[in-house]
Amino acid sequence: DAGVIQSPRHEVTEMGQEVTLRCKPISGHDYLFWYRQTMMRGLELLIYFNNNVPIDDSGMPEDRFSAKMPNASFSTLKIQPSEPRDSAVYFCASSLIAPSGNTIYFGEGSWLTVV
Amino acid sequence: SQQGEEDPQALSIQEGENATMNCSYKTSINNLQWYRQNSGRGLVHLILIRSNEREKHSGRLRVTLDTSKKSSSLLITASRAADTASYFCATGLNQAGTALIFGKGTTLSVSS
Repeated sequence: DAGVIQSPRHEVTEMGQEVTLRCKPISGHDYLFWYRQTMMRGLELLIYFNNNVPIDDSGMPEDRFSAKMPNASFSTLKIQPSEPRDSAVYFCASSLIAPSGNTIYFGEGSWLTVV
Repeated sequence: SQQGEEDPQALSIQEGENATMNCSYKTSINNLQWYRQNSGRGLVHLILIRSNEREKHSGRLRVTLDTSKKSSSLLITASRAADTASYFCATGLNQAGTALIFGKGTTLSVSS
């Protein structure tokens, strides 16, 4: 299996621009997670989906962030407008069953720099 | 506040030595998992231990869980330079529908 695929791997954008991060989960996995990693705050859960439905978005920092999962093989995380404090590594992950009772598989991350 | 806290934050050892990392957590868990992250890469699952288990082994890895103390330890025996990475504990809570909560990690450096 190809694993969780994220794009872009690196993005540098100017403050105020829209950023769209993309994720293809492992085929057959029912759960998809978006995490954000920074030195200060570590790895934070932003949102997760079960069977394409958002279950918990309490970690989404503010209205500038939105996530969608239009089908089982694709999800996006959008930041509009972006700010320098959004600079971080954004990870997508997926798991076969249960949000926490099983192994989750991470993508390689999208490294976002907002200048 | 962080559910899982790893200790130490950083650890430097020589090849061949053992490395021990600890994780403490606050609330009741269903399971605890350890993940590894190489620099610039995603996290990779190492081992899962359930709340009714006390010890688990996988190759050179040994994980213990003490639910009475709300703590876990990860032991890597006979470390190698390739073990250099950050190690994270993640807790699965007993609350249905909650996702894994990760600690901030221990950065392990193994020098040859």
